[in-house]
Amino acid sequence: GAGVSQSPSNKVTEKGKDVELRCDPISGHTALYWYRQSLGQGLEFLIYFQGNSAPDKSGLPSDRFSAERTGGSVSTLTIQRTQQEDSAVYLCASRIGGSGNEAFFGQGTRLTVV
Amino acid sequence: QKEVEQNSGPLSVPEGAIASLNCTYSDRGSQSFFWYRQYSGKSPELIMSIYSNGDKEDGRFTAQLNKASQYVSLLIRDSQPSDSATYLCAVNMFMDSNYQLIWGAGTKLIIKP
Repeated sequence: GAGVSQSPSNKVTEKGKDVELRCDPISGHTALYWYRQSLGQGLEFLIYFQGNSAPDKSGLPSDRFSAERTGGSVSTLTIQRTQQEDSAVYLCASRIGGSGNEAFFGQGTRLTVV
Repeated sequence: QKEVEQNSGPLSVPEGAIASLNCTYSDRGSQSFFWYRQYSGKSPELIMSIYSNGDKEDGRFTAQLNKASQYVSLLIRDSQPSDSATYLCAVNMFMDSNYQLIWGAGTKLIIKP
């Protein structure tokens, strides 16, 4: 597609359930980022994939969070046993290579845990 | 610790005036710098990128980079109410054998009609 695509746009889930958020980056972009943004707050880095390198998972807030990127393209962010504090907008961004290039964002997934 | 700092604001500017947004960064070796605009409830969108010292102009927007002083700024001329948004500064930094985008917390800009 022409841009970064995220699905679903909105997700309401019950506390304790698992959720999967999907990101389809721009074709050819080898770098992919996941961020979390709570209302009125800045971007919170979660995880970074760059080509075939081991992902930088240093931003994942707990072991309930995991992400994978299959075939260097689509990425899935999984949150297990969701908690109310997980409610936020989850943003995915991709860019060409690892240096000097702009990142482009998807429209985000708004997650609400009730 | 590699950091990007911005004043959170809000910065209030009258319509038609120049809005000046500033960003400082900690890594002297950084080479790539980006300004993004984020409207409430929307994703960040790229406004400008800058790589060399000096000014770069695009329409009403001018990015200014001073690597010696480690700051980058964004000027918005003839500010319009539609410019009201949060402006995010991002800096490309080399960390743990990879280049990473490090983000400021953003400055909220309000243009008053």
